[in-house]
Amino acid sequence: GAVVSQHPSWVICKSGTSVKIECRSLDFQATTMFWYRQFPKQSLMLMATSNEGSKATYEQGVEKDKFLINHASLTLSTLTVTSAHPEDSSFYICSASPYIQGVGALSNQPQHFGDGTRLSIL
Amino acid sequence: KQEVTQIPAALSVPEGENLVLNCSFTDSAIYNLQWFRQDPGKGLTSLLLIQSSQREQTSGRLNASLDKSSGRSTLYIAASQPGDSATYLCAVRPRAGKSTFGDGTTLTVKP
Repeated sequence: GAVVSQHPSWVICKSGTSVKIECRSLDFQATTMFWYRQFPKQSLMLMATSNEGSKATYEQGVEKDKFLINHASLTLSTLTVTSAHPEDSSFYICSASPYIQGVGALSNQPQHFGDGTRLSIL
Repeated sequence: KQEVTQIPAALSVPEGENLVLNCSFTDSAIYNLQWFRQDPGKGLTSLLLIQSSQREQTSGRLNASLDKSSGRSTLYIAASQPGDSATYLCAVRPRAGKSTFGDGTTLTVKP
């Protein structure tokens, strides 16, 4: 089945550090990937929609200069948390849906999720 | 604005019981509905995807139904096992745009 790989799985770093998280679709192409944040015992909160070759679309209240998204290829999107602070500590998860050239993004296909990245800022 | 509600928030059952998890949504103009499982500290694993034109989907001991007109979906788990313990999330997706997730039901199956 379709696999989404997210790396790293766990990061602990000092306040002020910038952290990059990678999301890769291993066996399919994805023009669109989604980045979520999840607080303990809560559901997923969509942060932004990552679009290959163009700017990401951010949800209301999400600082685009704080959370930099780059979707440079059909299989890779990155989320960089710039100058991270303790309040940025959270669980970050990406997802992707398959895309077929000439057909487009397949909304009728399942979303596939990475295993998430636990970010802890000291 | 789409809202997704999952009831109950938590459920504890003895091993072997059949159980039903509920998901309701306010806007019936959905493209599909997907059920996920999330283990603690992990990402989401897709369980079943139901297209808006479908009534149900089955995979092993899992059966998901969809009644789009009433804005409801159920996930039926037969003969529950301790390994089924996890949080179950439903998500509805429009034709274009983002999915909306429920808050999940945390299931505990006791041996």
